[in-house]
Amino acid sequence: DVKVTQSSRYLVKRTGEKVFLECVQDMDHENMFWYRQDPGLGLRLIYFSYDVKMKEKGDIPEGYSVSREKKERFSLILESASTNQTSMYLCASSFGPGELFFGEGSRLTVL
Amino acid sequence: AQSVTQLDSQVPVFEEAPVELRCNYSSSVSVYLFWYVQYPNQGLQLLLKYLSGSTLVESINGFEAEFNKSQTSFHLRKPSVHISDTAEYFCAVPSSNTGKLIFGQGTTLQVKP
Repeated sequence: DVKVTQSSRYLVKRTGEKVFLECVQDMDHENMFWYRQDPGLGLRLIYFSYDVKMKEKGDIPEGYSVSREKKERFSLILESASTNQTSMYLCASSFGPGELFFGEGSRLTVL
Repeated sequence: AQSVTQLDSQVPVFEEAPVELRCNYSSSVSVYLFWYVQYPNQGLQLLLKYLSGSTLVESINGFEAEFNKSQTSFHLRKPSVHISDTAEYFCAVPSSNTGKLIFGQGTTLQVKP
């Protein structure tokens, strides 16, 4: 089975802190994604990556950056966390277009 | 650009009753359609998908969805729900521009005893 592992299930950070969210997949998938999930808004794509060292902006990239140094690992970075970035963050991977495999999510609270 | 609309944000239903969760999408040349389910405190997992062929697709736990091209819909149904079906359900379709999945706003199914 495909496994997508997110390093932290719950995080509490202070405004202005730098935050790293790590995601690792074990099925050699080319594509990896970071989504943000908020009530009433569904899932919104922050960034995605088709290959190592490659990244593309999604629908809401402002305030975020990403890193993909290895194929299996895709990191989301909040350079200076703000309260409006309090949310559930979901990492996903896929082999091709269509079906995504998701991690269990990282719930971030910014105080 | 593609868009997905889930018409109900919450659907309360009693156990063993039938349920329908509605999903409409904007039209496109080719359509792949997906339903994902998110159980409490978990990530999303694929429930069922339509890629081609029969317009009626089924999941292993009794859900089914029917692709209706004329009505641009992909509603999810189950004839008899269980408490364990309580979850949030997301409809998704690939963007015609980028191929990335676009998700609806989600529908919370609350099954009551």
